Amino acid sequence: LAKTTQPISMDSYEGQEVNITCSHNNIATNDYITWYQQFPSQGPRFIIQGYKTKVTNEVASLFIPADRKSSTLSLPRVSLSDTAVYYCLVGDLNNAGNMLTFGGGTRLMVKP
Amino acid sequence: DTEVTQTPKHLVMGMTNKKSLKCEQHMGHRAMYWYKQKAKKPPELMFVYSYEKLSINESVPSRFSPECPNSSLLNLHLHALQPEDSALYLCASSQGKGTANTGELFFGEGSRLTVL
Repeated sequence: LAKTTQPISMDSYEGQEVNITCSHNNIATNDYITWYQQFPSQGPRFIIQGYKTKVTNEVASLFIPADRKSSTLSLPRVSLSDTAVYYCLVGDLNNAGNMLTFGGGTRLMVKP
Repeated sequence: DTEVTQTPKHLVMGMTNKKSLKCEQHMGHRAMYWYKQKAKKPPELMFVYSYEKLSINESVPSRFSPECPNSSLLNLHLHALQPEDSALYLCASSQGKGTANTGELFFGEGSRLTVL
């Protein structure tokens, strides 16, 4: 299983762009990268998923370099409600058990 | 309906009690999961059911007993728990294998368990 490493915590201010990087040096050919957001006392919520280059949705962008050994979740113009823990997961979509291990996560604090 | 519903939201039990946590989804998902999460820690995988069969047990103590009565329901039976088992128990579901599978996990809001 590809192990992921993220910063433990990050601080930002409202209106800023936040970039959270995840390192996954032993990512396999069939592995995808998925990011989740979790608020206190709630279950994690899917944010974005990608395989290579750039993926964008209404919430975030995901940048994946050519070697795929890392990925960066970009949150544009954060607000106080973006304060949460962000988890990066790596695994094969069709291999039960492979995309299910959460790493330590990054605790993002957005300040006024 | 894109919800995973967990009941009860809160449960307090003694070490000799028997209780159950319940989880339900109506998205047609064929994989369901139990996770345990302690405060300020990431969710830890406990069990995986795929097509109603137990496919992964992450060496969970036998005082936790999962059950999947059908493709929409997942239970976690609790017996003789210890205070250190107090945690948020999260249920999740996903499509399961197949070409349309994105691997996305849909989580419930969790059941907060306190063992006295």
